[in-house]
Amino acid sequence: SQTIHQWPATLVQPVGSPLSLECTVEGTSNPNLYWYRQAAGRGLQLLFYSVGIGQISSEVPQNLSASRPQDRQFILSSKKLLLSDSGFYLCAWSPGQGSHIQYFGAGTRLSVL
Amino acid sequence: DQQVKQNSPSLSVQEGRISILNCDYTNSMFDYFLWYKKYPAEGPTFLISISSIKDKNEDGRFTVFLNKSAKHLSLHIVPSQPGDSAVYFCAVGTGGYNKLIFGAGTRLAVHP
Repeated sequence: SQTIHQWPATLVQPVGSPLSLECTVEGTSNPNLYWYRQAAGRGLQLLFYSVGIGQISSEVPQNLSASRPQDRQFILSSKKLLLSDSGFYLCAWSPGQGSHIQYFGAGTRLSVL
Repeated sequence: DQQVKQNSPSLSVQEGRISILNCDYTNSMFDYFLWYKKYPAEGPTFLISISSIKDKNEDGRFTVFLNKSAKHLSLHIVPSQPGDSAVYFCAVGTGGYNKLIFGAGTRLAVHP
């Protein structure tokens, strides 16, 4: 069966520090991968998605970037965090062709202070 | 410009009664519709879905209804249970399978 791992679960970082959140998927190959952010009391905002290694689509201009160095690894990064980067970050995967269903990781609560 | 709207931020229902969560969308090109359930500090979990060729899909206590002419989607939970208390997101997709657009969510509270 497929599983998705996302870490860390909680992160507190000072303003101006770098960020690296990692997400890996097991039990499938060539998945679509996604990064979302949920701000407090808000819905899910799609940040990035990837349909293959090295292929990244950015949905909103921001202080963050994403990379997919391996088929089942998706990384969310920032060189310098802003206060507004605080939120709940979610990684998700989907089989791609033939299915719209996305499966989410447990999320990372990021607090930038 | 919100393409998917969940106009009720919260809903309170008594245990055993029906919970009805609503969702409206703007683009008639959307052809696949999903509901997710989310507990605090966890990722959303897929609940039920429906494609545009249907108007109803059932899975146990959960039924999703689609009214394409009204661009309206609803989730019925019968009977509601305290464990159903969570935030429910509707999401829509198109034939490209690459992206979903989520609503802002409705917080359901089921009380005894």
